[in-house]
Amino acid sequence: DVKVTQSSRYLVKRTGEKVFLECVQDMDHENMFWYRQDPGLGLRLIYFSYDVKMKEKGDIPEGYSVSREKKERFSLILESASTNQTSMYLCASSSRTSGDHTDTQYFGPGTRLTVL
Amino acid sequence: AQKITQTQPGMFVQEKEAVTLDCTYDTSDPSYGLFWYKQPSSGEMIFLIYQGSYDQQNATEGRYSLNFQKARKSANLVISASQLGDSAMYFCAMRESGGAQKLVFGQGTRLTINP
Repeated sequence: DVKVTQSSRYLVKRTGEKVFLECVQDMDHENMFWYRQDPGLGLRLIYFSYDVKMKEKGDIPEGYSVSREKKERFSLILESASTNQTSMYLCASSSRTSGDHTDTQYFGPGTRLTVL
Repeated sequence: AQKITQTQPGMFVQEKEAVTLDCTYDTSDPSYGLFWYKQPSSGEMIFLIYQGSYDQQNATEGRYSLNFQKARKSANLVISASQLGDSAMYFCAMRESGGAQKLVFGQGTRLTINP
């Protein structure tokens, strides 16, 4: 079974703090993704990576950065947390094959971040 | 730009009834994939079913089937014989063509199964 783990299920931080969210997958997937989920908005893509040290901006990258030093690990960084970054953060991974559901994205359990 | 629309914020269904969750999409790309995910209260997104744009048959996975109407750009999820454990958020998503394989998600539908 594909396993995607995230470092914390719940996190509470203060405005201005630097926040690290870690994601690890054990299926040797090339692609990794960070989403945030807000009520009524579905999931929105923050950043993604298709290879080690490669990163691409998603739809809402402002206020975030990412790091992918190893294939299995993809970190999301909030340089200076703000209250509008209070949200559920979901990490996902997928293989690079294309054309059928074998490239399905598999998700971690999510981190619910509260910024006070 | 690709877009996914789920028009039902919430649905309430009696146990053992069938339920249809609506999803419409918009894309100009002839090659695309459509996914449905389930998100229980625990938060994890669980993959349910996939439909490719060139697939001739509607996808089925156990109690889940996808009513794919390409001309109408709809990809509704049908759950037969609903169970209490089906209560969850359900998301429709579309994959862009190209190497990055990004997904675009709809707003979600909260399904509640009543005993």
